Amino acid sequence: QVHLVQSGNDVKKPGSSLKVSCKTVGGPFSSHAINWVRQAPGQGLEWMGKIIPVISATVYAPKFRGRITITADKSASTSYLELGSLSSDDTAVYYCARPLRAGFNNHDYWGQGTLITVSS
Amino acid sequence: EIVMTQSPLSLPVTPGEPASMSCRSSRSLLHTDGSNYLDWYLQRPGQSPQLLISFGSNRASGVPDRFRGSGTGTDFTLTISSVEAEDVGVYYCMQALQTPSIFGPGTKVEIK
Repeated sequence: QVHLVQSGNDVKKPGSSLKVSCKTVGGPFSSHAINWVRQAPGQGLEWMGKIIPVISATVYAPKFRGRITITADKSASTSYLELGSLSSDDTAVYYCARPLRAGFNNHDYWGQGTLITVSS
Repeated sequence: EIVMTQSPLSLPVTPGEPASMSCRSSRSLLHTDGSNYLDWYLQRPGQSPQLLISFGSNRASGVPDRFRGSGTGTDFTLTISSVEAEDVGVYYCMQALQTPSIFGPGTKVEIK
């Protein structure tokens, strides 16, 4: 059974950057896309971007282009989300998610979520 | 970009009774392979979302058979045949046809 294990909650200052990790345990890593989705307090789900580790290909939502970077360390089966120029609007729970089958966009497996609070 | 809408946004339900909710896409999610690339997710309070239904009607592993997904093209329905207390939460539909993944605004299911 695949599990996605994310890094812990954090507090960031406005203008700084966040970095959240997502480790794949119990299944293949490189062949399956890792998606990043966030949820602001009381709000819905917002897709941010994804990476396909085997080809290091990334796709980002237009809203975040210019301040988002998603990377993958194949040796550690871990993906990283970096988001810069943080403001209070970036306070949210950040999730990673991946499909059961490579090549598909379903989000079969989800991490436990990482709460990032942006506050001065 | 595909736009997803859901209705109703709030759905009070009675345990033991059926419930249904709707999802509409701004473009057809019917692929040339014959599958509808539409997923349903449930997010229980304080939890991560979980996949309920993929490809319009395929229940994910471990999902009770009281959940049924139907529809094709641009119009989809999630039906719960007999609501249980553990079914409360927010139900999201998501188009899985193309990147970016787009979620609907969600239907919040609460016990009356």
